[in-house]
Amino acid sequence: GNSVTQMEGPVTLSEEAFLTINCTYTATGYPSLFWYVQYPGEGLQLLLKATKADDKGSNKGFEATYRKETTSFHLEKGSVQVSDSAVYFCALREETSGSRLTFGEGTQLTVNP
Amino acid sequence: DAGVIQSPRHEVTEMGQEVTLRCKPISGHNSLFWYRQTMMRGLELLIYFNNNVPIDDSGMPEDRFSAKMPNASFSTLKIQPSEPRDSAVYFCASQRGWETQYFGPGTRLLVL
Repeated sequence: GNSVTQMEGPVTLSEEAFLTINCTYTATGYPSLFWYVQYPGEGLQLLLKATKADDKGSNKGFEATYRKETTSFHLEKGSVQVSDSAVYFCALREETSGSRLTFGEGTQLTVNP
Repeated sequence: DAGVIQSPRHEVTEMGQEVTLRCKPISGHNSLFWYRQTMMRGLELLIYFNNNVPIDDSGMPEDRFSAKMPNASFSTLKIQPSEPRDSAVYFCASQRGWETQYFGPGTRLLVL
């Protein structure tokens, strides 16, 4: 079946540090890949996505590249801000699974000033 | 657009009581999802509907949980009887076709 594995958290960084959150996946076909972000007290919201191999999703300074050869979709940001403190979820969606998303366990990011 | 609307936002109840959570999806969305989030188990998909029909309810914990979608603009998740281990944040999400899935703000449930 499909699965998503994220690096264990929590992750604590200083403002302006470089961020990487690792995500790898297992799928039977060619999934679409997503990063969702959950700010404190809120629901999840889409941060970025990529629908095919070598696509790069980007938004708000965050980037992730769909790497089919390593089955990975790592999230990166060159300079984090305090406002980026949140929980980040990697997810995949495969046509054979209908419209449902398969989520990773989430990674808590705290950015200190 | 109002987004996905959930009610109530907070619910405190006593063990054994019936709890009903409500969701109004975004207009035009044809898929609706119910999730539960806890510190111990993370984010779990409970059930999802496509065109008001339940497609996959394998995540529903047990017979105490039931979900309905009587029309395209309303869904309920009911817990009867509730237990302390049901305390969690329950999210509803909706989606149109293969487009982005949008989440509601969640209902924070505490069962005493």
